[in-house]
Amino acid sequence: EDQVTQSPEALRLQEGESSSLNCSYTVSGLRGLFWYRQDPGKGPEFLFTLYSAGEEKEKERLKATLTKKESFLHITAPKPEDSATYLCAVRGTGTASKLTFGTGTRLQVTL
Amino acid sequence: AAGVIQSPRHLIKEKRETATLKCYPIPRHDTVYWYQQGPGQDPQFLISFYEKMQSDKGSIPDRFSAQQFSDYHSELNMSSLELGDSALYFCASSLGTEKLFFGSGTQLSVL
Repeated sequence: EDQVTQSPEALRLQEGESSSLNCSYTVSGLRGLFWYRQDPGKGPEFLFTLYSAGEEKEKERLKATLTKKESFLHITAPKPEDSATYLCAVRGTGTASKLTFGTGTRLQVTL
Repeated sequence: AAGVIQSPRHLIKEKRETATLKCYPIPRHDTVYWYQQGPGQDPQFLISFYEKMQSDKGSIPDRFSAQQFSDYHSELNMSSLELGDSALYFCASSLGTEKLFFGSGTQLSVL
């Protein structure tokens, strides 16, 4: 069974203070690792998909990286509008197409 | 751009009542997913459909059923509602095994 563990559960940063979120996964054949952002009471919003170890993707202040066992979401010089819950999910070869999510990291960026 | 549309946005039911949630996927998307998210929890996969056929099944109670219709919209039917069914229910759609796009969710409250 696919499993995803995210750390830390919560993170409080000051504006401009860079950090990284961790996503460790166990999957029977990775067919994609996904990062989503979720604001309270809203649906997850897609950020990145990574498929193979060594792959990196960037979007504004966010950069996602992937190894064979974990993924990192690096946040550079965050702003208050980056405050949200960041969810990691995997798709394994044992399923048709569903994603298995981690419990997320709640990020709060203060002035 | 068209997004995933869910209705209703909010639903209040009594214990033992029945609820029906509707989802209209993004046009030309062939896969629909249903997820349940409790407060502070990760989205839990319930069930998915590919081209109107069930493709994956997760932790969906026997009291729940779902189907995808000829126009590709999907409905999640929930019977004998329990207090523990109170949650945010998300529908998502994808084109094959590409990224999932989520709707805004239906907040179900069982009193």
